[in-house]
Formats: sequence, structure tokens, C-alpha cells
Amino acid sequence: AQTVTQSQPEMSVQEAETVTLSCTYDTSENNYYLFWYKQPPSRQMILVIRQEAYKQQNATENRFSVNFQKAAKSFSLKISDSQLGDTAMYFCAFMRSYSNYQLIWGAGTKLIIKP
Amino acid sequence: EAGVTQFPSHSVIEKGQTVTLRCDPISGHDNLYWYRRVMGKEIKFLLHFVKESKQDESGMPNNRFLAERTGGTYSTLKVQPAELEDSGVYFCASSRLRGEIMNTEAFFGQGTRLTVV
Repeated sequence: AQTVTQSQPEMSVQEAETVTLSCTYDTSENNYYLFWYKQPPSRQMILVIRQEAYKQQNATENRFSVNFQKAAKSFSLKISDSQLGDTAMYFCAFMRSYSNYQLIWGAGTKLIIKP
Repeated sequence: EAGVTQFPSHSVIEKGQTVTLRCDPISGHDNLYWYRRVMGKEIKFLLHFVKESKQDESGMPNNRFLAERTGGTYSTLKVQPAELEDSGVYFCASSRLRGEIMNTEAFFGQGTRLTVV
């Protein structure tokens, strides 16, 4: 069975700093999708970035980028120039390629950006 | 366009009572998903509808949970009778039916926080 592990329950950084959230997963599948979602306080879950395991190139979305290490089964999220609005719970999720959003989630990392 | 809407946002019920959660997906989204996050644990997949049909309900914890999506529009998730361990946040998401995953995003509602006392 697939599992997703986020080893950092909570992180706190100063505004404008760079922060990296870790995520590791376990699977025997060769192709799959990985996601980072954020849930700001009292708001809905929002997709931050996603990666297809088939592709070697790391995904990037503005200030958000991932370091996808397939062999190590690692999928960390880097947030550059962090902003107060980045304060949220961040969830890493895994999905098998033939599974339609039957996501397997990590426990989440609470990220606090301090002014 | 309107997002995924869930009702109520918060519900407090006594053990043994019945609660019905509702999810209104984005218009035109045939896929609808339910997840829940029990306190202190990971979010777990519950089930997946394609239109009005249950595509996958492997995550439903037991027969106290009943999900419906009559007419393929909104969905309800009923818990009867509720137990203490059912407390948590129930999320709903929807996505378009067709398209590659990398071009098809699942949109989430704000969740319903259920507290069973």
C-alpha cells in the first residue's frame, strides 16, 4: 500500500525567507502523480503544484518549486520569498496514475510565516 | 464560477444521532469525491462518484456511512448513528470527467467540521 510521510508537523520562518517542506512516499508503482495542496486558515484546500512521476523535470509555479527525487521517493516543496499569505497547512498527496483523484495524503505541515 | 460548497460548515451532534453533510460541486463537474480527516490523522479518501454512480467506495469506513448523489448534482453523506470516532473534517472535491490528470484539477470545498459528543 502506498503511504505518504510529512515529517515536519510545524514550521515557522520569517517573511521573505525560503522554506522547504519535506515529503516522502512509498510505492511500487512506476508512474503516478504527486501533489502539494495548501489549506489557509478557514479556507478551502488549494492546489499548489503537481508533478507527474514520468517527467524528470521538477515542476515550478512562480515562487513554488519541487525537488522530485524519484529514486529516493522524495517530493519536497520549496517556497521562495515567503509571504504572510503562505501561512497555511500544507499537504503532500500521492495518486496512482489510473486512479482518478483517489488521493493518499500526508499528515500535513503547519507553516507559519512571521512578519 | 462558483466553487465547491459544503453545508454545514460545522456540526455538533450527540453520539447516536444522525447527521447529513451536503456537497455542491462545481457545475459541470461529473467527478465528486469525499474525504475526511480525523483529528490528528491523515486525510483519507472515502468515495468517488461519477455523475450519480459510485465509482469507488473503498474508503467508506463502515455501513453507518451512506453517500448519495441523486441526479448527478449535489451529494450527501449521511452518518447514522454517529459515533465519537466519526469526529473530524469532511472534505468534498469535484473535477471534470474527461482530460489528463495534469490538465484536470480537483477543486475542494471548505469542509464540514463534525463533532460528535
